[in-house]
Amino acid sequence: QVQLVESGGGVVQPGGSLRLSCVASGFAFNSFGTHWVRQAPGKGLEWVAFIQYDGDNTVYAESVKGRFTISRDNSRNTVHLQMTWLRAEDTAVYFCAKDPSMWGLSPLGFDHWGQGTLVSVSS
Amino acid sequence: QLVLTQSPSASASLGASVKLTCTLSSAHNTYDIAWHQLRPEKGPRYLMRLNSDGTHTKGDGIPDRFSGSSSGTERFLTISSLQSDDEADYYCHTWGSDIVVFGGGTKLTVL
Repeated sequence: QVQLVESGGGVVQPGGSLRLSCVASGFAFNSFGTHWVRQAPGKGLEWVAFIQYDGDNTVYAESVKGRFTISRDNSRNTVHLQMTWLRAEDTAVYFCAKDPSMWGLSPLGFDHWGQGTLVSVSS
Repeated sequence: QLVLTQSPSASASLGASVKLTCTLSSAHNTYDIAWHQLRPEKGPRYLMRLNSDGTHTKGDGIPDRFSGSSSGTERFLTISSLQSDDEADYYCHTWGSDIVVFGGGTKLTVL
């Protein structure tokens, strides 16, 4: 079965950096795009970033553009989210999610989700 | 601007049915959406993709109690024979040209 397992969350000071990872299994990872989605405490879901199946296209929400970088290593079935210049408003649970479109070139949505990893930005 | 609007809360009795609504911005009435369930202490769960014509494709293992329908700019999620486990937050999302948008979510309480 499809599994997505996030790691790398923790507590970081404002202005700091953190790298999240998502390891996937149970499907042809190199044929599907992957997303990061977050949920701040008491708030709704917010889409953060998407990476195409082969890494050739990445798309970001305006709120993180220029600060976050999504990347993937298809040899390790892994997607990363490098977060820099972190702010208090980046505090959230970060979820990794699989896009349903095989060989899709742009973000469509999420048909499988991970359990999430908590990022807390605080001094 | 691509916007999805959901009522913040809904409630229904155990064993009854409930219909949740996700409303697209008026210029985007032909857009498809998807529904997701978010239960406390659990990751989100994909429920279904719902097309503008009302046809829908459900995710793995989603029971028949969950169904979708569409009318104009409105996209509906109906849950029948409500169980206590259905108490959760329900989110719709849609997508455009290099953008993904979520609705604000509806908190469903099962009485």
